[in-house]
Amino acid sequence: RKEVEQDPGPFNVPEGATVAFNCTYSNSASQSFFWYRQDCRKEPKLLMSVYSSGNEDGRFTAQLNRASQYISLLIRDSKLSDSATYLCVVFLSGSARQLTFGSGTQLTVLP
Amino acid sequence: NAGVTQTPKFQVLKTGQSMTLQCAQDMNHEYMSWYRQDPGMGLRLIHYSVGAGITDQGEVPNGYNVSRSTTEDFPLRLLSAAPSQTSVYFCASRKLNAEAFFGQGTRLTVV
Repeated sequence: RKEVEQDPGPFNVPEGATVAFNCTYSNSASQSFFWYRQDCRKEPKLLMSVYSSGNEDGRFTAQLNRASQYISLLIRDSKLSDSATYLCVVFLSGSARQLTFGSGTQLTVLP
Repeated sequence: NAGVTQTPKFQVLKTGQSMTLQCAQDMNHEYMSWYRQDPGMGLRLIHYSVGAGITDQGEVPNGYNVSRSTTEDFPLRLLSAAPSQTSVYFCASRKLNAEAFFGQGTRLTVV
């Protein structure tokens, strides 16, 4: 089983739609969680950190469920510019790898 | 505002050739790492360093060497290139226990 698993998609949604991605992680001792965005042929960039109480940044909402070991990303009112691959990232303090990346979920927002 | 700088952006090697991918950061980050990204595989950690003079292996270290003589620089050396090393390589840096910042990537093709 992969340490961090994501639905690879692709998710194709119309502009204005709401879309949600889930990510599961296997190590219950994982400490920090992030969502990164990666545009085609570019480097990953931090979209938002994920806090235990959940957090929102504009149209983006991140949730963490430690009991079920998953995190989610909700995008409201999708824009064409949201088209990208979204990477779930888990941090485990003390492990050799520390930051572990999911394979990514591809989103295409259609006009 | 340089952040993480990677060179070169593109490289074609013949099997058996060696080369060094350069990575430099100007954010005084302790932690630097090298990842490779292949389709459907996500980012996989090659080597990492928690400070000058300290390096360690990640998930896929075979065929690669690293050194960290200064806080700023973390070069990745391919000793004898193989077609299996065709990939996109990303260097990243961060403060310990914080999010990572990535370089723009190096697209390497080994023929």
